[in-house]
Amino acid sequence: KAGVTQTPRYLIKTRGQQVTLSCSPISGHRSVSWYQQTPGQGLQFLFEYFSETQRNKGNFPGRFSGRQFSNSRSEMNVSTLELGDSALYLCASSSISGSNEQFFGPGTRLTVL
Amino acid sequence: TQLLEQSPQFLSIQEGENLTVYCNSSSVFSSLQWYRQEPGEGPVLLVTVVTGGEVKKLKRLTFQFGDARKDSSLHITAAQPGDTGLYLCAGDNAGNNRKLIWGLGTSLAVNP
Repeated sequence: KAGVTQTPRYLIKTRGQQVTLSCSPISGHRSVSWYQQTPGQGLQFLFEYFSETQRNKGNFPGRFSGRQFSNSRSEMNVSTLELGDSALYLCASSSISGSNEQFFGPGTRLTVL
Repeated sequence: TQLLEQSPQFLSIQEGENLTVYCNSSSVFSSLQWYRQEPGEGPVLLVTVVTGGEVKKLKRLTFQFGDARKDSSLHITAAQPGDTGLYLCAGDNAGNNRKLIWGLGTSLAVNP
């Protein structure tokens, strides 16, 4: 079974630009979650999508948005980038069994200059 | 606000030593997961503990869930350089607003 894939792996943007990141979950997994990881804040939950609907949301500003398609693939968008948005963005899929176990992709390293 | 505190934050040891990483909270979790993350990669699930007092072993790694399901520990015996990485714990609150609550991680370096 193929794992979670994320594209692109690396991205460099400047302040004020916007960015779209993509995630393909493990086949059969309908839940996709997005996380931001920084050295100081650790893993911060952004949002979760299930069957094309946002089911849960973390405490991030409205500049961070996402969506999920009918094939469970997901995208997240960050508009009006700020320096503080530089981070590793991780996508995880889950089969939503009883344990909510997350299967992570390798992440997209975003650098905002 | 639910929090998971991990300690220590950093650990640098010699190959062959034993170590324990702790994950503590004032909240009760339905289950707790441990992950290991290597540089440039996403976290990989090591184990899920569900029952209070449960002990699970994965080769040289021993995981324990506290009786009250508020804390957990990870013990590594005879650490090897391949154990190097960031160890993360995550508690499942399993409530109406179900989500995982993450610790900040323990960065482990095992020197040969």
